Amino acid sequence: SQQGEEDPQALSIQEGENATMNCSYKTSINNLQWYRQNSGRGLVHLILIRSNEREKHSGRLRVTLDTSKKSSSLLITASRAADTASYFCATDAVTRDKIIFGKGTRLHILP
Amino acid sequence: DTEVTQTPKHLVMGMTNKKSLKCEQHMGHRAMYWYKQKAKKPPELMFVYSYEKLSINESVPSRFSPECPNSSLLNLHLHALQPEDSALYLCASSQEWGEQFFGPGTRLTVL
Repeated sequence: SQQGEEDPQALSIQEGENATMNCSYKTSINNLQWYRQNSGRGLVHLILIRSNEREKHSGRLRVTLDTSKKSSSLLITASRAADTASYFCATDAVTRDKIIFGKGTRLHILP
Repeated sequence: DTEVTQTPKHLVMGMTNKKSLKCEQHMGHRAMYWYKQKAKKPPELMFVYSYEKLSINESVPSRFSPECPNSSLLNLHLHALQPEDSALYLCASSQEWGEQFFGPGTRLTVL
């Protein structure tokens, strides 16, 4: 079963522009994470935001969390070609060892 | 060592073969995971081991058999697979609830 839904499903922007991806989920959470996956490779953890946090930064990444709307956004500023990848949000389920991934956003940075 | 390693990188097998996927981590993490990922889909959890004991089985068919010989190793034994089992199999580990560290995956093709 899927918990998170990202939108858009695909996004193409020019290098240097900012990219914003959104994630909505259905049930209450303890934390929400964002992962990046380059084509056909393993996932890389980007950032974790806890349910009592509203915003978190890491380098060019900014994540917000609105628990009242059950939604999160990932902003990548000053995009680079290397940011081309799929981005997934993941939320923890009732069993905390289990995280459920959203469908993902495929981001393509144009030169 | 902050890596999760997986072998082999690629595997082609027939429906009557028996093969195994291997995963190793030396970060002292207490939990290890197997995920299955089809093209353009999010990873789907298969199994979770916590402190070397199977804690979650997501109703995976018995042709997939996990094994955790010790706290650093995780195997996935494959037998009598179907072509629809072709996918990227990802291993991950974590210490606390939250961030998971992923290996690069094994690309499995069942003929």
